[in-house]
Amino acid sequence: AQKITQTQPGMFVQEKEAVTLDCTYDTSDQSYGLFWYKQPSSGEMIFLIYQGSYDEQNATEGRYSLNFQKARKSANLVISASQLGDSAMYFCAMRERSGNTGKLIFGQGTTLQVKP
Amino acid sequence: KAGVTQTPRYLIKTRGQQVTLSCSPISGHRSVSWYQQTPGQGLQFLFEYFSETQRNKGNFPGRFSGRQFSNSRSEMNVSTLELGDSALYLCASWSGRNTEAFFGQGTRLTVV
Repeated sequence: AQKITQTQPGMFVQEKEAVTLDCTYDTSDQSYGLFWYKQPSSGEMIFLIYQGSYDEQNATEGRYSLNFQKARKSANLVISASQLGDSAMYFCAMRERSGNTGKLIFGQGTTLQVKP
Repeated sequence: KAGVTQTPRYLIKTRGQQVTLSCSPISGHRSVSWYQQTPGQGLQFLFEYFSETQRNKGNFPGRFSGRQFSNSRSEMNVSTLELGDSALYLCASWSGRNTEAFFGQGTRLTVV
């Protein structure tokens, strides 16, 4: 069965520093997609970054990058130059590509607090 | 380009009542999926619709149902509400290549 594990319930980072949020996954599928979302206290889920299982390069979107290590089944999110507005809950999620489903499996999330 | 719109944003219902939530996806997106978020269970997949057909269903009782219209707008219905149905209900609109799923702001349902 598919599973996403985020082992850090809460993290603190100093403003302007980089932070890594951990995510490991388990799947028997060869084809899958990995996502990261940010959820501020308002509740909206904001799409940050996507990595396909066959993508050879690590995905990057502005200050966000995904450290994809396929053999270790990890997909850590790196946020560079943290800002106060980055304080939020962060979720890692996976979608199996087989069957063309839009079903996402989410981890339990990591709460990030950026200190001034 | 308008984002995903969920209505209403907040809802208070009494046990035993039913509720209908609405989701309008991004223009051109044909796939919509629904999720329930609670503090205890986290984010759980409810169901997914593509071109008016349910393509996938999560492990929820039959009280939870949904549908999608020809304009891709989707509704979910919960009948005979229970206290445990209190949650944030999120709808996601998928891009054609399924590499991006954009969520609405959610509907926060409180059952009293």
